[in-house]
Parts: sequence; structure tokens; C-alpha cells
Amino acid sequence: SQKIEQNSEALNIQEGKTATLTCNYTNYSPAYLQWYRQDPGRGPVFLLLIRENEKEKRKERLKVTFDTTLKQSLFHITASQPADSATYLCATSGTYKYIFGTGTRLKVLA
Amino acid sequence: SQTIHQWPATLVQPVGSPLSLECTVEGTSNPNLYWYRQAAGRGLQLLFYSVGIGQISSEVPQNLSASRPQDRQFILSSKKLLLSDSGFYLCAWASDTSSYNSPLHFGNGTRLTVT
Repeated sequence: SQKIEQNSEALNIQEGKTATLTCNYTNYSPAYLQWYRQDPGRGPVFLLLIRENEKEKRKERLKVTFDTTLKQSLFHITASQPADSATYLCATSGTYKYIFGTGTRLKVLA
Repeated sequence: SQTIHQWPATLVQPVGSPLSLECTVEGTSNPNLYWYRQAAGRGLQLLFYSVGIGQISSEVPQNLSASRPQDRQFILSSKKLLLSDSGFYLCAWASDTSSYNSPLHFGNGTRLTVT
């Protein structure tokens, strides 16, 4: 079955550094990957979408890559700030269904 | 602009009691609608989705059901709650497109505790 995996361990980084989160998928080839941010007690908020024919997508301090050979997407936050602390979820979409990874909790230390 | 409303924000219900969670979307027409559940520290589990009035697709067999009585209204129900139904329930909508690249827009969720 389709599976999308993220590192379930929390990631702690120092303010100002680049945070890199990983999303791996198996048993299928999604045409799109999406990244969301979720704060405690809130619904996820859409951040970025990348298509399979796009190697890289940027939005302000955010960058997403999509490697169809490795079946992996990387999500980078440059010049990280304590306000970036949250859980980040990747998701794939197809045939109306959106399948989410378990999310990686990021904590940016001041 | 589009908005999604989900209520109540928190709910404590005894085992065996019924459940009704409601979600409405404003500012868009014919959205695709979704119910997800998130257990503590876990990912989002897709429960139901709907691409039109009266059209419900179930992803996980359980004692929950969903209905879409109006274009922008999505209801999650149960006749008898189980302890395992506790969790964070999220409603979401996406534009009705066939290109599968529309982002999901989530409500703020309902924290359900079954006691």
C-alpha cells in the first residue's frame, strides 16, 4: 500500500541555522508533494507544493526539493527562528485523497 | 475569501453516547470535503471524503459515519462512541479540480475525549 514516512523524532536546531526535514514515500510515484505546518491544537496550514517535474521550489525562507529517484522530498527552512517551531507534515495527493506522513516536530532554540 | 468553520472546539462524551460534529465552508462552491482524525502524537488518518452532495467515501471501517446534506456542510456522526474514538478531528476542504494539486484547507479541529 502507499506509504509516506517522516522522521518521527523531534528535530532541535539552533536559531539561525538551516532546518532540513525529510519525507520518504514507497510503493507509488506521486505527481505532487505538499508540505504543511501544524501548531499545537490547530489544523495544519498549507505551505508549499512541488510537482514531480520540479526539482526545487522556494518561498521566502522555505525550500522544497523532490527527488523521484530517491523517492524523497526535503524541506528546508533557512535562517530558522523560534517562531518556526512547529510540526511539519508532508502529504501526497491523487484521486481526491490526501495521504499524510506522521510529521516531524521542529524546535528552534534561541 | 474562503473560510471553514468546525465546532465544537472541545467535547467530552461518555462511552456509548452519540456524536455529531459539524463543518461548514464559506466562500467557495462544490468543494471536496474531508474528515481526518489525529491521535495524540500521531499522523492524520483520513476517515471520509466527499466530492459532492450525498457522495461519501469511507477510508477506514469503524463506527463512524459521515454525511453531506448540503454543498458546503459535512457532518461526522456516531451512534455509540468507543474509547478508541478519542482524538483530534479535523475537517478540511479542497477546490474541486481534477489535477490533484489543490492544497487542503483545515478547520481548527475538535478535541474529542470519550470517557
